[in-house]
Amino acid sequence: EVQLVESGGGLVQPGRSLRLSCAASGFTFDDYAMHWVRQAPGKGLEWVSGISWNSGSIGYADSVKGRFTISRDNAKNSLYLQMNSLRAEDTALYYCAKESGYSYAFDYWGQGTLVTVSS
Amino acid sequence: QSALNQIASVAGSAGHWLDIPCTAIGIDTDTGEFENVAWYQQHPGKAPKLLLYDVTERPSGTSDRFSASKSGDTASLTISGLQPEDEADYYCSSYTNSDTFLFGSGTTVTVL
Repeated sequence: EVQLVESGGGLVQPGRSLRLSCAASGFTFDDYAMHWVRQAPGKGLEWVSGISWNSGSIGYADSVKGRFTISRDNAKNSLYLQMNSLRAEDTALYYCAKESGYSYAFDYWGQGTLVTVSS
Repeated sequence: QSALNQIASVAGSAGHWLDIPCTAIGIDTDTGEFENVAWYQQHPGKAPKLLLYDVTERPSGTSDRFSASKSGDTASLTISGLQPEDEADYYCSSYTNSDTFLFGSGTTVTVL
């Protein structure tokens, strides 16, 4: 059974940093691209960042480019998101999502970790 | 600025059908940027669930009451035989040529 478990969220002041983690199990992690998608309270989904299986291809939404860094450790079956210079508008539930491997779609999602940026 | 526009809400009677459109704005559909449309269903307090990918393909577990199509810059999700459990938010998504993804603004479905 595929499982994605996010952690690392919490309350952080504007301008500070936070690192999210996603522990993956139930599939061959290093065969698939992985992504972070966020959802602000009461709002829609926003793709944040994605990374290919070997970290050779990485993309970011314009809203986080230059502030967030995605990475993965295939030996640990883990995905990370380093978030710097956090802003109030980064407040959201952050989901880890697995790319399907047969299409540009996300076939498994975690339950999310909540990041709140507030003074 | 690229975007996928969806209507905010739509309602339909149980047993009937409804369409949810998703319109690409600022996306070059001529170069294949709107080819990999996917649809997601999200119930309140739950993670999104993949419903369809590559415009029309259903992953295992998706009911055949859900179907989709695309013409030009507009993709559409059709829900047939509406059931109470179909009440949820629905999002379209597309990969772009710049290694990024877009989500639509989301549509809330109400079953009357």
